[in-house]
Amino acid sequence: SYVLTQPPSVSVAPGKTARITCGGNNIGSKSVHWYQQKPGQAPVLVICYDSDRPSGIPERFSGSNSGNTATLTISRVEAGDEADYYCQVWDSTSDHVVFGGGTKLTVL
Amino acid sequence: QVQLQESGPGLVKPSETLSLTCTVSGDSISSHYWSWIRQPPGKGLEWIGYIYYSGSTNQNPSLKSRVTISVDTSKNQFSLKLSSVTAADTAVYYCARLRGVVPAAMFDYWGQGTLVTVSS
Repeated sequence: SYVLTQPPSVSVAPGKTARITCGGNNIGSKSVHWYQQKPGQAPVLVICYDSDRPSGIPERFSGSNSGNTATLTISRVEAGDEADYYCQVWDSTSDHVVFGGGTKLTVL
Repeated sequence: QVQLQESGPGLVKPSETLSLTCTVSGDSISSHYWSWIRQPPGKGLEWIGYIYYSGSTNQNPSLKSRVTISVDTSKNQFSLKLSSVTAADTAVYYCARLRGVVPAAMFDYWGQGTLVTVSS
């Protein structure tokens, strides 16, 4: 089965840039979606199809995907961005959904 | 506005069957794929399975033998049954809409989630 690897935690100072990675075998050939989850809330889609932003998501959120790594980039980080972030792809051999283990973003 | 709402018992005894229903409003259940996802306390997201209005399903292989997902188009609802539960099945259970073509779709709308505790 397909495995996605995320760092457990990332820390960043306010106003700086946060980069959260999602590793997988040839993930660049897949479509990657990213979700933000704040405590006690359901996840929210923040990036779809590698780099598209759903309506209402700030331009500070961007994504890229190449080779074996997809990256969610949050520019000019704000305190309100503190949350868990999950990447998601499909294992196309089985049509199964795969989530990464999640990354806790801490704003210092 | 699309809304999803999970409903069902919050407490289930070990070895019994967990049953949840997701009611969809603001959209026809015949328009998309629909899915169940769970999250044990303090842990990450785990995909359980999805269903199309036709009844076609796919499940996480780690749960497949215990999972049944069904749809009721007349009520605009879909349901989850998980049999032979143990404490490891204690989690917040979410229902969500899949938008796009399988296998590239995204979860664009989620229910608020419902905590199900397995305990005697």
